[in-house]
Amino acid sequence: QVQLQESGPGLVKPSETLSLTCSVSGDSIRSYYWSWIRQPPGKTLEWIGYTYYSGGNTNYNPSLKSRVTISVDTSKTQFSLRLSSVSAADTAIYYCARHVGGTNGYARDAFDIWGQGTMVTVSS
Amino acid sequence: DIQMTQSPSSLSASVGDRVTITCRASQNIGKYLIWYQQKPGKAPKLLIYGASSLQSGVPSRFSGSGSGTDFTLTISSLQPEDFAPYYCQQSYSTPFTFGGGTTVEIK
Repeated sequence: QVQLQESGPGLVKPSETLSLTCSVSGDSIRSYYWSWIRQPPGKTLEWIGYTYYSGGNTNYNPSLKSRVTISVDTSKTQFSLRLSSVSAADTAIYYCARHVGGTNGYARDAFDIWGQGTMVTVSS
Repeated sequence: DIQMTQSPSSLSASVGDRVTITCRASQNIGKYLIWYQQKPGKAPKLLIYGASSLQSGVPSRFSGSGSGTDFTLTISSLQPEDFAPYYCQQSYSTPFTFGGGTTVEIK
């Protein structure tokens, strides 16, 4: 059974860098695309970006692109999120999620497995 | 970016009711439309992809329809465990975007 688990600091100071890791168990990290998605308290979901194990295969939300880096560590079956120069607007629950993938184009970029989410607060 | 607009933002219904939620895309997205349910304090759960294909394990009382810009999620007979927020998402192009959500509340 595939499981995802986010980890990282729950409190980050303004202007600093938010760093989170998603640990993947029960499946190969090389077989799928992986995304980060966030949700400010009481608001809707925002897709941050995705990565694939093959180096350089990433895609970021243009609204965050200048501040975001998503990378994969295949040896540790983890992928990571770095968001620089954070502000209060970055306070949210951060989820990692697996793309369905496969040959069905309509299903490919649906998210079928999610981590439990980790709350990150930006405050001094 | 493709904007996704859900309506209503909330609705009140009773167990056994038929409920319909609407999602509208700002441009033609074909059938690249996905629905999620999110229980309080939990991650979203995939219900439907391709506008009308039921994800494995999802009860058949959930159904989706539509193509182009207008889509609907229908719950044929509302069960107690169905009271939750629902979100649509387009996967036609990046950045993937979500609707604002529709909360189904107990009347």
